[in-house]
Amino acid sequence: DVKVTQSSRYLVKRTGEKVFLECVQDMDHENMFWYRQDPGLGLRLIYFSYDVKMKEKGDIPEGYSVSREKKERFSLILESASTNQTSMYLCASRSDRVLHEQYFGPGTRLTVT
Amino acid sequence: AQKVTQAQTEISVVEKEDVTLDCVYETRDTTYYLFWYKQPPSGELVFLIRRNSFDEQNEISGRYSWNFQKSTSSFNFTITASQVVDSAVYFCALSEEDQAGTALIFGKGTTLSVSS
Repeated sequence: DVKVTQSSRYLVKRTGEKVFLECVQDMDHENMFWYRQDPGLGLRLIYFSYDVKMKEKGDIPEGYSVSREKKERFSLILESASTNQTSMYLCASRSDRVLHEQYFGPGTRLTVT
Repeated sequence: AQKVTQAQTEISVVEKEDVTLDCVYETRDTTYYLFWYKQPPSGELVFLIRRNSFDEQNEISGRYSWNFQKSTSSFNFTITASQVVDSAVYFCALSEEDQAGTALIFGKGTTLSVSS
């Protein structure tokens, strides 16, 4: 079974802190994604990566950066957390061999106070 | 531009009722994929189904069925004889083209509450 894991299920950080959200997949997938989920807004794409060290901005990249140094790991970075970044963050991965089937991690619920 | 609309924000039903979740999509591509995901209270998104734009056959899986109609750009999801365990947020999503890195475009979700 494909497994996508996220480093924390719940996280509480203070305004201005640098926050790292980690995502690891164990199926050698080329593509990885970070989404943000907010009530009434659905899931919105923040960034995605189609290869190591490659990244593309999604729909709402402002305030975020990403890092993909190894194929299995995709990190989302909040350089200076703000209260409007309080949200659920979902990571996903997808193979180039089985297109259009994304596998999601359990999510990290981040609260910025 | 691509878009997915789930007009029903919340639906409440009593166990054993049938319920249909609506999904309308917009795309200019001729090749695209449609999905339904379930998100139970635990938070993890669970993949339910994928259909490509060339396959308009309806699909049934147990109590779940999907009606894909290109003429109305709809991909509706019906749960027959609903159960309390069906309570979740359901997302419809669209993916265009057949290329690496293609992300999913999600609707805003429909929260289904099934009471006993």
